[in-house]
Amino acid sequence: AQKITQTQPGMFVQEKEAVTLDCTYDTSDQSYGLFWYKQPSSGEMIFLIYQGSYDEQNATEGRYSLNFQKARKSANLVISASQLGDSAMYFCPPLMKTSYDKVIFGPGTSLSVIP
Amino acid sequence: DTGVSQNPRHKITKRGQNVTFRCDPISEHNRLYWYRQTLGQGPEFLTYFQNEAQLEKSRLLSDRFSAERPKGSFSTLEIQRTEQGDSAMYLCASSPTEDYEQYFGPGTRLTVT
Repeated sequence: AQKITQTQPGMFVQEKEAVTLDCTYDTSDQSYGLFWYKQPSSGEMIFLIYQGSYDEQNATEGRYSLNFQKARKSANLVISASQLGDSAMYFCPPLMKTSYDKVIFGPGTSLSVIP
Repeated sequence: DTGVSQNPRHKITKRGQNVTFRCDPISEHNRLYWYRQTLGQGPEFLTYFQNEAQLEKSRLLSDRFSAERPKGSFSTLEIQRTEQGDSAMYLCASSPTEDYEQYFGPGTRLTVT
């Protein structure tokens, strides 16, 4: 079974500063993808960024970038120039080619941006 | 592209009643997923469809739960004989293929009293 670890249940960052949210995963799959989603208090789940396991370049999307270290099985999200609207829960579910019964979102990390 | 829609947004029901939720995915997305999310937790996978075929069901999906996607478009999730433990947010998502991000709907919040 897959296991997702997000060791930071709660994070605080000053507005306009950068923040890194940690995510490690455990899988024996060779081919997989990693997503980061954001869930504000309104409840909607918003896709942020995707990294394929065979992608050599770290994914970037605007203010979001992934620090992907395949050997360490970690895919940390870096948010640059934090904004108040970044305050939300963040999840890093992996996408495995094996059974979807094993997709696990994990507990998430709560990010609070301080003005 | 109007996004994934779910109805109703909120449902309050008494224990023992049956409830049905509907999810309309983004048109032409052939994959559709159902998740359940309780307070303070991440979403838990329930089931997914590729077109009209239900390909995976989680162990969480007891025999009181049934999901359908009869024409490969919208999907329904029915819970029979609801229990207080069924109180949660039920999220639906769709994607064009397995390699793309899942687009989530706003969810249906179920409260069983």
